Amino acid sequence: GAVVSQHPSRVICKSGTSVKIECRSLDFQATTMFWYRQFPKQSLMLMATSNEGSKATYEQGVEKDKFLINHASLTLSTLTVTSAHPEDSSFYICSGEGPLGDTQYFGPGTRLTVL
Amino acid sequence: DAKTTQPPSMDCAEGRAANLPCNHSTISGNEYVYWYRQIHSQGPQYIIHGLKNNETNEMASLIITEDRKSSTLILPHATLRDTAVYYCIVRVRDQAGTALIFGKGTTLSVSS
Repeated sequence: GAVVSQHPSRVICKSGTSVKIECRSLDFQATTMFWYRQFPKQSLMLMATSNEGSKATYEQGVEKDKFLINHASLTLSTLTVTSAHPEDSSFYICSGEGPLGDTQYFGPGTRLTVL
Repeated sequence: DAKTTQPPSMDCAEGRAANLPCNHSTISGNEYVYWYRQIHSQGPQYIIHGLKNNETNEMASLIITEDRKSSTLILPHATLRDTAVYYCIVRVRDQAGTALIFGKGTTLSVSS
């Protein structure tokens, strides 16, 4: 299947700082990428849908000014958590829609810990 | 909202077949059934998907009932590495750019 990478895999930061997470589709072009968040012992929650070259669409309850998403190319989307706080600590996962548009492939996730 | 119902947990002995059920009684004619799994602290892994015919690949088989209201994912010879949370998701295939919505899934525990 298609491969999606994320960087970094793990990050620890101080409260009030910003953190950028990169999501790359390595062997296919992803017109659409998705960002999810997963808290311990819970399922994945969709945060936003990102289309190349346009503004992201955020799910209800997700602050667009806090979670900045940029999808500048068909292989790269970034999520920036601005002014991070301990409650933002979570597992962030991205996915890209596969070349046939019928299957999504997920990255390995980024573990964010805010102290 | 998730449109599927799965048992919260299942156990399976190593080497035996694992049969994971999923109910999707409100599925529409143009919705596909997808299965993903998530091993602890990793991103979800695509397993298989289907519309109405049974499907098989190198990982698993998908059996969909004739009325399409339920399906079963079959791992023919479960190993310890198959221990994971398995998610059954329905999604309209032709709507590119539509996200997968995850329910709570089934935690499969494979033991020796």
